[in-house]
Amino acid sequence: EPEVTQTPSHQVTQMGQEVILRCVPISNHLYFYWYRQILGQKVEFLVSFYNNEISEKSEIFDDQFSVERPDGSNFTLKIRSTKLEDSAMYFCASSLQGQVNEKLFFGSGTQLSVL
Amino acid sequence: AQRVTQPEKLLSVFKGAPVELKCNYSYSGSPELFWYVQYSRQRLQLLLRHISRESIKGFTADLNKGETSFHLKKPFAQEEDSAMYYCALTSGNTPLVFGKGTRLSVIA
Repeated sequence: EPEVTQTPSHQVTQMGQEVILRCVPISNHLYFYWYRQILGQKVEFLVSFYNNEISEKSEIFDDQFSVERPDGSNFTLKIRSTKLEDSAMYFCASSLQGQVNEKLFFGSGTQLSVL
Repeated sequence: AQRVTQPEKLLSVFKGAPVELKCNYSYSGSPELFWYVQYSRQRLQLLLRHISRESIKGFTADLNKGETSFHLKKPFAQEEDSAMYYCALTSGNTPLVFGKGTRLSVIA
């Protein structure tokens, strides 16, 4: 089965630094997502992306966050100036058509630690 | 607002015993409900969705709109069922909303 890949698996950064989390969605998928999970809490939606623009975003996704599809394969999440509370596991996901009943394919996540 | 509640953080059962992982939701419309599973050191993956009315790995879940529940059940637990289980909800164009998850531990 095709997979969503995420790099790096772990990222350690200093507070105030910029980080870029990378994802390669499944090649024929059109809808892309970022979720995060703070330790001990639930998986939370951040943003969805379709046709080179954000289709929906949550309250968490403030001006410090941005997403980009710089080429035909990568989908990135940038945090401009990291805060301690950004420490979390970040999951990328993709789906073929973004339909309601459609299965999301998740990456294995990037564990971000902000010191 | 949509909300998914999984009241148990941890559920421990003996191998061969029945399992029920509880999920209640809050949504005024017609939701689409899913169970996702995350085995140790693996990625989140879809286990089943209510629209399919399927049984995957012996698990079933029935949507009860009266009780706003979507409990996950399996008659005989296996050791390989030990994992984190997440109930999730979406409707229309809204993003998938997850519960906090229940860790199932099946004891040999």
